[in-house]
Amino acid sequence: AQKITQTQPGMFVQEKEAVTLDCTYDTSDPSYGLFWYKQPSSGEMIFLIYQGSYDQQNATEGRYSLNFQKARKSANLVISASQLGDSAMYFCAMRDWSSASKIIFGSGTRLSIRP
Amino acid sequence: DTAVSQTPKYLVTQMGNDKSIKCEQNLGHDTMYWYKQDSKKFLKIMFSYNNKELIINETVPNRFSPKSPDKAHLNLHINSLELGDSAVYFCASSQGERNYGYTFGSGTRLTVV
Repeated sequence: AQKITQTQPGMFVQEKEAVTLDCTYDTSDPSYGLFWYKQPSSGEMIFLIYQGSYDQQNATEGRYSLNFQKARKSANLVISASQLGDSAMYFCAMRDWSSASKIIFGSGTRLSIRP
Repeated sequence: DTAVSQTPKYLVTQMGNDKSIKCEQNLGHDTMYWYKQDSKKFLKIMFSYNNKELIINETVPNRFSPKSPDKAHLNLHINSLELGDSAVYFCASSQGERNYGYTFGSGTRLTVV
């Protein structure tokens, strides 16, 4: 069965530091996609980054990068040079063929950036 | 232009009432979804429609009934509202391929009193 685990309920980071948000997943499907979403206090869900299971390189989008370790089934999000506006909930998510196109989400990590 | 629009944004209603939330997407996506986010921020899928056909129906009370008149619209009707239905409900859409994530609506905060 599919499963997404985020073990950090909350994190505090100093502004301008890099931060890593952990995510592990479980699926028996060899073909899947991994996503990260940001939910600021205003409530909307913002897509950040995508990694396919067959992608050879780790995904990057601006200050976001995904540290994909397939053998470990981990897909950690790295935010470089954190900013106050990065304070939000962050959700790791996965989609695979066996899931009838649905995406399942982890429980989220609340990131707070200190000035 | 809003890609996925939900109305209303806020809904406060009494127990026992019936209410609807509407969702429309202008992205040309084939698949639409309803998710519920509870007070602990956990997101759980409720329903999914692909080209007006129901493809996912998770364990949801039958007081919840989705309706998709066309592939650009997916509405959620809730009968006999209960206190436990209070949550944020998100509509989302996507293409069928796995490397497409969702585009979410802004959410509807439902409060049952």
